[in-house]
Amino acid sequence: GAVVSQHPSWVICKSGTSVKIECRSLDFQATTMFWYRQFPKQSLMLMATSNEGSKATYEQGVEKDKFLINHASLTLSTLTVTSAHPEDSSFYICSAGRGAGDYNEQFFGPGTRLTVL
Amino acid sequence: GQNIDQPTEMTATEGAIVQINCTYQTSGFNGLFWYQQHAGEAPTFLSYNVLDGLEEKGRFSSFLSRSKGYSYLLLKELQMKDSASYLCAVADSNYQLIWGAGTKLIIKP
Repeated sequence: GAVVSQHPSWVICKSGTSVKIECRSLDFQATTMFWYRQFPKQSLMLMATSNEGSKATYEQGVEKDKFLINHASLTLSTLTVTSAHPEDSSFYICSAGRGAGDYNEQFFGPGTRLTVL
Repeated sequence: GQNIDQPTEMTATEGAIVQINCTYQTSGFNGLFWYQQHAGEAPTFLSYNVLDGLEEKGRFSSFLSRSKGYSYLLLKELQMKDSASYLCAVADSNYQLIWGAGTKLIIKP
C-alpha cells in the first residue's frame, strides 16, 4: 500500500521559534500534497495544496508567510511554521495524492502534534 | 456555499449495525470519501464513491445517491475498536476536499 510518513511526530517549541514538519511519500510519487490542521474536536481544515515544483495554493485565511510550504520533490513536502505562537498549537496532517486530479485515494500521514509554549 | 452535514454523535451496541448519514451541497462533485479517525490520530481511508450505489468492503459499506446529495456509511458487526470519529468528505469541481465535522461513534458493550 501507499505509505506517507511525517517527521517529527510531535514537537514542543518556544513562542517565536520556527518549526519544520516533513511529509514523505515512501513508496509512490506524489505530484500533489495537502496540508491540514486539526484543532481538538474539530474537523480537518485544509491549509494549502502543493504541487511539485510550483508554489503552494493557500486556503483563504491561511497566512502564506507564516506557513511556508516547499514541495521540492515528488516524495517530499515540508511545512514550516514561522515565529510560532501558542495559538498555532494544533495537529498538522499531510496527505499525498497520486497524479493531479486522480482522486481515487488520498493517503494521509500520521500527523504531527505541535505545542507552542 | 459548500456544506457537508453529518450527525455529531451516535451510540450503538457491540455486534449491532449502525448507519452514519452524510448530506452535501458542493460546487461540483468528484467523489465522496469516508474516513475513520481515532482520537489523536490521522484519518484512515475507508471508502470512495463516485457512482450511485453501494460499495461493500467487509464489515463496512458505503452508499451514494448523487441526485439526492446523500451518502451513508454502514458498519456491521460492530466491535469496540470501531469507536472513532467518521468523517465524510466530498471532492468538489477543483478536486478540493470539503470536510464534514465528523460523527463520533460510541460503541457500548
